[in-house]
Amino acid sequence: QVQLVESGGGLVKPGGSLRLSCTASGFTFSDFYMTWIRQAPGKGLEWVSYISGTSTFTNYADSVKGRFTISRDNAKSSLYVQMTSLRPEDTAVYYCARATSGSTDAFDFWGQGTMVTVSS
Amino acid sequence: QSVLTQPPSVSAAPGQKVTISCSGSSSNIGNSYVSWYQQLPGTAPKLLIYDNNKRPSGIPDRFSGSKSGTSATLGITGLRTGDEADYYCGTWDASLSAVVFGEGTKLTV
Repeated sequence: QVQLVESGGGLVKPGGSLRLSCTASGFTFSDFYMTWIRQAPGKGLEWVSYISGTSTFTNYADSVKGRFTISRDNAKSSLYVQMTSLRPEDTAVYYCARATSGSTDAFDFWGQGTMVTVSS
Repeated sequence: QSVLTQPPSVSAAPGQKVTISCSGSSSNIGNSYVSWYQQLPGTAPKLLIYDNNKRPSGIPDRFSGSKSGTSATLGITGLRTGDEADYYCGTWDASLSAVVFGEGTKLTV
């Protein structure tokens, strides 16, 4: 069965950096676009970034462009996001999700999420 | 403020039917597929509908999706208390070059 497990969340000071990881299993990882989606406490879903199966294509929300970098290691079935210059408004649960086959904008499997808190 | 507009809340009695609307524009819903997600309290979102009206394996046919012009609708029949959740629509916005979600609708049964 498909599983996605995020890790790496925690408390970080404004201006700091953090790297989140997502380990996938149960499917051929390299065949799918993967994405990061976040949810601030008590708020709705916000798409953050996606990456194609071969890492050829990436895209970012304007709110994180220039500060976040998405990457993947298909040999390890792992997805990453390097977050720098963190701001309090980046505080959220970060989910990794798999895009449906042939799509970049529908997501059929989600991890349980990892909490990132940006505060002094 | 999202480019996709959903009602903040809807309610209906057990066994009844409810619809949740998602209104957008020609840069998003009007020219892209719509997906719908259910988020039960304290859990990750779950895909209910993709490509406007397709259900993933394991999603009961009580859930349906439709799209007309720049609006989409999620329908749920035979409501159960276990359907109480937040529901989100999502799509691609060509003007923003980004995936966008509605602000969510809280369903009370």
